[in-house]
Amino acid sequence: QSVLTQPPSVSGAPGQRVSISCTGSSSNIGAGYDVQWYQQLPGTAPKVLIYGNSNRPSGVPDRFSGSKSGTSASLAITGLQAEDEADYYCQSYDSSLSNVVFGGGTKLTVL
Amino acid sequence: QVHLVQSGAEVKKAGASVKVSCKASGYTFTGYYMHWVRQAPGQGLEWMGWINPNSGGTHYAQKFQGWVTMTRDTSISTAYMELSRLRSDDTAVYYCARDLGYYDRTGYFTPSYYFDYWGQGTLVTVSS
Repeated sequence: QSVLTQPPSVSGAPGQRVSISCTGSSSNIGAGYDVQWYQQLPGTAPKVLIYGNSNRPSGVPDRFSGSKSGTSASLAITGLQAEDEADYYCQSYDSSLSNVVFGGGTKLTVL
Repeated sequence: QVHLVQSGAEVKKAGASVKVSCKASGYTFTGYYMHWVRQAPGQGLEWMGWINPNSGGTHYAQKFQGWVTMTRDTSISTAYMELSRLRSDDTAVYYCARDLGYYDRTGYFTPSYYFDYWGQGTLVTVSS
């Protein structure tokens, strides 16, 4: 059971918009700790897509955006492309555990 | 260009120890925290802890305290993660990941818990 809760899977057709939620609690996201989002393509290491809740590193397309409100965060992907098919993880810090915490991951399928 | 290059795959017997290395290049090794994260087959990401390569200070996830040791050799810009008393459920890919860090209001350089570069991963297989 992950500290941050994500849907196990989402899907969408090419060109569509999908959103992935990440629900935490008052000791992590709700305590003001930043949320990061990582994309993991099959057989590769995770790659950061969003840091500090809504910031994109250079090189990440603006089709990816992040937001945070209360004890939750979300990743939105617009203009879905086949190459977006991957696992997506949210990540934050939990003060009661003194741990970095990850969501369980969401598998995105592009139909 | 930042690179984190990890050591190769390992096969170990239950009860043994494993030491994984992570060689950094393209940046000042002592200027960034290094974290270790593992991923069991078909599972999600699990954080293990961090090391401050400058001071050698460490912080381990509670689950791993007492059986993980993180060290570094600044002369060769390499971080190490050693896991002892291996069990079959320690079979996983182990990643090192760089942390940008920041100076807090007291001037202390602290982890940001944002991983901007990752190693390629090292598969550790534990057989019973």
